[in-house]
Amino acid sequence: EPEVTQTPSHQVTQMGQEVILRCVPISNHLYFYWYRQILGQKVEFLVSFYNNEISEKSEIFDDQFSVERPDGSNFTLKIRSTKLEDSAMYFCASSRSPYTEAFFGQGTRLTVV
Amino acid sequence: EDKVVQSPLSLVVHEGDTVTLNCSYEVTNFRSLLWYKQEKKAPTFLFMLTSSGIEKKSGRLSSILDKKELFSILNITATQTGDSAIYLCAVFGQGAQKLVFGQGTRLTINP
Repeated sequence: EPEVTQTPSHQVTQMGQEVILRCVPISNHLYFYWYRQILGQKVEFLVSFYNNEISEKSEIFDDQFSVERPDGSNFTLKIRSTKLEDSAMYFCASSRSPYTEAFFGQGTRLTVV
Repeated sequence: EDKVVQSPLSLVVHEGDTVTLNCSYEVTNFRSLLWYKQEKKAPTFLFMLTSSGIEKKSGRLSSILDKKELFSILNITATQTGDSAIYLCAVFGQGAQKLVFGQGTRLTINP
């Protein structure tokens, strides 16, 4: 069964460093998303991506964040100059069409120290 | 601001019991409501509901949507220990390619 895969599963980084979280969406899906979940809190939307551009982003997704689809399969989230409060589980998701079931990857746990 | 509220936040029952989880929402131009099960990491998709009054069913799980009263319920019958998880409700609004999540219901099934 096709699934969304994310790497790494866990990343520890020092405050101020840049990290890149990687995702391989399901192959015939066209819509891609990043969400995050701070420990004990709700899952929060970060950004949606379609047709090689951002279609929507939240207030959280400021200039510190960027997304890219560098080739036909990968979808990345870059976080520049990480802060302690960026520590969270980051989920990538994909869907075939908008407003339909989005399938989530296993997540990357980012710990900023 | 779009909002999704789930209740109860936590529920502990015995194996074999039936449970009902609630989700109410306020969203501009509702499009769909989705239920997910979150065990250790990734939310896994359960149901998507778009129309009122039509029950979606998968084994012991079922869900229904009431668009007039702005809520959905998720029922699990004959619960098993493997049903222990956090159940998440999320909605899409018109023109918004983002899911707005509730805080989840932590369900614990004791043997």
